[in-house]
Formats: sequence, structure tokens, C-alpha cells
Amino acid sequence: DIQMTQSPSSLSASVGDRVTVTCRASQSISSSLNWYQQKPGKAPKLLIYAATILQSGVPSRFTGSGSGTDFTLTISNLQPEDFATYYCQQSYNAPLTFGGGTNMEIK
Amino acid sequence: EVQLVQSGGEVKKPGESLKISCKGSGYTFASYWIGWVRQMPGKDLEWMGIINPGDSDTRYSPSLQGQVTISVDKSIDSAYLQWSSLKASDTAKYYCARLDSTGWYGLRYFDYWGPGTLVTVSS
Repeated sequence: DIQMTQSPSSLSASVGDRVTVTCRASQSISSSLNWYQQKPGKAPKLLIYAATILQSGVPSRFTGSGSGTDFTLTISNLQPEDFATYYCQQSYNAPLTFGGGTNMEIK
Repeated sequence: EVQLVQSGGEVKKPGESLKISCKGSGYTFASYWIGWVRQMPGKDLEWMGIINPGDSDTRYSPSLQGQVTISVDKSIDSAYLQWSSLKASDTAKYYCARLDSTGWYGLRYFDYWGPGTLVTVSS
């Protein structure tokens, strides 16, 4: 199985900040990397797929980058509704494994 | 509007069987794989498997193979997750999600999710 390692596991930030979450794959996965946002008690929501493509309806302050083994989710100008847990997922090979999540809290 | 509607929460005893469902609407159900994702209490997302409603081709996570059965009834646009003998460690929220793709098959993603079914297994 391809292992996905996210960092940090948690972070504190303020409204208006720019934050970055990283995801590393245990082998090259080309651009087969997705990012999801999950709020407590709710289903995950797709933010970015194929490493860089913003899902329809997702604000442009979310950007994804990377290829191969190293990927980044950047959120610019953090808004109150952005405080949530973020997961990466590789779609290169089944099982389509998720990262361990990054819990973003208000500072 | 694409929707995935999941069956309601369940409370079961160890050793009991269970089948939960996920009904798609607002799109051609047979044209998109459906996946199941487990989230144990306070834990991360775990990919369980996917099924192609068109031909019932199924892929399981190796760690869960044999523990659950994923099936589909395309005549009623529904997918299922089934256990023959539940354990306390099966307590979790189970999400179904639609798998879309762009370009080559490796660029796949869950674009629509159901609200989840909470399964509690306790004696």
C-alpha cells in the first residue's frame, strides 16, 4: 500500500493567515493527489483533485501544488469557516489511502 | 442535484449481521464507481473499497478483505456494505462516496459524499 504522511498533524492559525499543509507519499504518485476538508460530524468535502485542480465551488484561496511524492495545500487569507481537518488522499493505486489529517484550530 | 442518501444509524451486538445502504440520485448511477470510507470515533479516514455499479467489479482494501462485503443493486441505484459477524471494533461512521475521474484512471477522487451511517457495536 502507498503510505501518505501529512504534516503538521495540527496547527493553530488566525483569521487572515496563510497556512500550508504538506503531504508526502511513500512512492511517486504522479499528480494523483486529492485534498478534502472535514468539519466535525460532517462528511468530507472535496477541495482539490489531481494535485492542483480546484473543485467547482471551492474558494480560490485554496491552492494545491506538487507532483511525484511531495504535495502542498495552501490556504490564503484564512476565514472562520476554514477551521477544520484536512486530509490528503492518493488515487494512484488501490487502496486509495488517506493521510493522517491536519487539524486546523483558531489561535 | 447529485445526492447520496445513506441508511440510518444502527446499534448492534457483537456477532450480529448488518447491511447498510447508499442510494444515489441525480446522476446515472451505473456510470460511477461508489466507494466506502470508514471513520472510527475520533480517528482518520480509511478507504474500505469501491464497486462499479455497472458490472459489480469490486476492489477491497487488503486490510479489510474478508471482513466486509460490498455489493450493489443497480436496478434501484443502491450500494451496500455488509457484515456477517460484527465486532466491537467495527464501531465507526461509514461514508459512501461517488468516485469521479479526469484524464487517466489514476486521477480519481470522491466528489460527492453521503452523510454517513453510524454503526455502534456493543454488548
